[in-house]
Amino acid sequence: NAGVTQTPKFQVLKTGQSMTLQCAQDMNHNSMYWYRQDPGMGLRLIYYSASEGTTDKGEVPNGYNVSRLNKREFSLRLESAAPSQTSVYFCASSEIGISYEQYFGPGTRLTVT
Amino acid sequence: AQRVTQPEKLLSVFKGAPVELKCNYSYSGSPELFWYVQYSRQRLQLLLRHISRESIKGFTADLNKGETSFHLKKPFAQEEDSAMYYCALYGYSTLTFGKGTMLLVSP
Repeated sequence: NAGVTQTPKFQVLKTGQSMTLQCAQDMNHNSMYWYRQDPGMGLRLIYYSASEGTTDKGEVPNGYNVSRLNKREFSLRLESAAPSQTSVYFCASSEIGISYEQYFGPGTRLTVT
Repeated sequence: AQRVTQPEKLLSVFKGAPVELKCNYSYSGSPELFWYVQYSRQRLQLLLRHISRESIKGFTADLNKGETSFHLKKPFAQEEDSAMYYCALYGYSTLTFGKGTMLLVSP
């Protein structure tokens, strides 16, 4: 039982390049989330998927797109990377219900030069 | 809109001293509040939630609706408590995090 996995762990991009961050969970959770973590800013929600087939914008969606490929997988795409997108990206999943606990992946450290 | 405020970026204490990490929230409905912790080189994980009213690793947190606060407390800090702590509020289908407080416990 791996929980929430993310690939890659590290990535360096040049301005304007594109890439996709992958996330998968094996806990049969309905909801999945993408956050970015920046010093002094805490965690900010980029996009989330409450259930398979749905996606919604979070607090900071500009410059990103997401795809809920199936119940297990939720990817985050940067179409044209900018230095402001240098951050640590976390994927999380949770069940819908009174628990509300979110389970986090190990993170992807992205640098855009 | 919901908001979570953690006024301290850094809290530094000596081993054995009491610890209180402050958290205030703004939310129009009935809040569901959590504390998450991130130890060095580890992933973020749930520490405790107010609905369970439990003590985890000696930490407790009481929801005070009058003061809209959910402060995290521990009577005697340990070096292994050093970590980043995030207060979070669940509402409108999403979890809103505070900016976090780094707790450093010195020997």
